[in-house]
Amino acid sequence: GENVEQHPSTLSVQEGDSAVIKCTYSDSASNYFPWYKQELGKRPQLIIDIRSNVGEKKDQRIAVTLNKTAKHFSLHITETQPEDSAVYFCAASSGSARQLTFGSGTQLTVLP
Amino acid sequence: ETGVTQTPRHLVMGMTNKKSLKCEQHLGHNAMYWYKQSAKKPLELMFVYNFKEQTENNSVPSRFSPECPNSSHLFLHLHTLQPEDSALYLCASSPYSGEETQYFGPGTRLLVL
Repeated sequence: GENVEQHPSTLSVQEGDSAVIKCTYSDSASNYFPWYKQELGKRPQLIIDIRSNVGEKKDQRIAVTLNKTAKHFSLHITETQPEDSAVYFCAASSGSARQLTFGSGTQLTVLP
Repeated sequence: ETGVTQTPRHLVMGMTNKKSLKCEQHLGHNAMYWYKQSAKKPLELMFVYNFKEQTENNSVPSRFSPECPNSSHLFLHLHTLQPEDSALYLCASSPYSGEETQYFGPGTRLLVL
């Protein structure tokens, strides 16, 4: 089955700096790569996703890049703010039913 | 947020108890999911229902029994659980099963004593 690895597990940045979280996947047939943000005590919420027909997608301060050849994708957050502090999960679709396999999460802390 | 709701939010049960978790979605979606979230581990997909039919069971022990009476409601029946089953159980829904945005409920925090 699919294996999704996510790095780093924890990341601390100064407010205003950029943050990058990386994920690799094993199933070359994966086509859908969402990123979820989970604040403490709250539900995971989709922040951005990308499909395999594009290499990059941007939404204000958040961007995702995809390298299908290397089977990795990354989340980029620019001009970080304290409210960006949360756990971020990547995921990749896999299997005949194209269900999501999640990475283990990255705890991002933005220091004021 | 009222899109996907879950009850109860917290549950403490003994290993011999029987309890049920409930999930309801008000988004008109056709697919619903149960996930287990344990500390420092990835979200683990447990079950998938698409148009009320179970389409995925990720080798989940039989002490977890799902039920989907209609596209808006999903239950997880629990019996003779083990302490290692303590976790946050998240329900999610999406328009269809597969490569779609999933909307999560707030979860049920379960503690098995």
